[in-house]
Amino acid sequence: QKEVEQDPGPLSVPEGAIVSLNCTYSNSAFQYFMWYRQYSRKGPELLMYTYSSGNKEDGRFTAQVDKSSKYISLFIRDSQPSDSATYLCAINAGNNRKLIWGLGTSLGVNP
Amino acid sequence: DVKVTQSSRYLVKRTGEKVFLECVQDMDHENMFWYRQDPGLGLRLIYFSYDVKMKEKGDIPEGYSVSREKKERFSLILESASTNQTSMYLCASSSDRGRYGDNSPLHFGNGTRLTVT
Repeated sequence: QKEVEQDPGPLSVPEGAIVSLNCTYSNSAFQYFMWYRQYSRKGPELLMYTYSSGNKEDGRFTAQVDKSSKYISLFIRDSQPSDSATYLCAINAGNNRKLIWGLGTSLGVNP
Repeated sequence: DVKVTQSSRYLVKRTGEKVFLECVQDMDHENMFWYRQDPGLGLRLIYFSYDVKMKEKGDIPEGYSVSREKKERFSLILESASTNQTSMYLCASSSDRGRYGDNSPLHFGNGTRLTVT
């Protein structure tokens, strides 16, 4: 079993839809969880950073961590064509030299 | 904003050539990283450095070396390029100071797409 599993998609939604992106992980000791967004031909950029369990909201984006289920989610409300990108989850396994990456989910938002 | 700059966006090299990929960050970050990104394999760590002249192997160091002579600059060297090193190379940096200490998030450059023919 991989340490982090992420469905690669692609996911295609109409503009305005609510999008749910997910990752599962195997080690209950993980505590730091990140979502990065990567546009085509660009480097990943940090979108959300969550420590331990719970929700974190930033504008149209909500990151959720369920440690009991070892499941993390990123919700995008009122999705826009500009949200079309690949979304990568990353989990910190002790320090930032030990990041474990999901493979990324490709999202397309259609106008 | 943190800026991580990679010197080349696209590079085409021949098998056996020595290749240098350069990365510069402007935020006085202690840590710098080199990743490669391939479809179906995701991001894989090649090397990282936590201080000037210090380096540690990541998950796939074979065929690569690195150099960090100054804090802001981290170079990746392909001693003898091979076709299986065709990939997107991403440099990143992070700080050990601040709210999350050594769990601080990484800041990436825009990548160098290297093709070895």
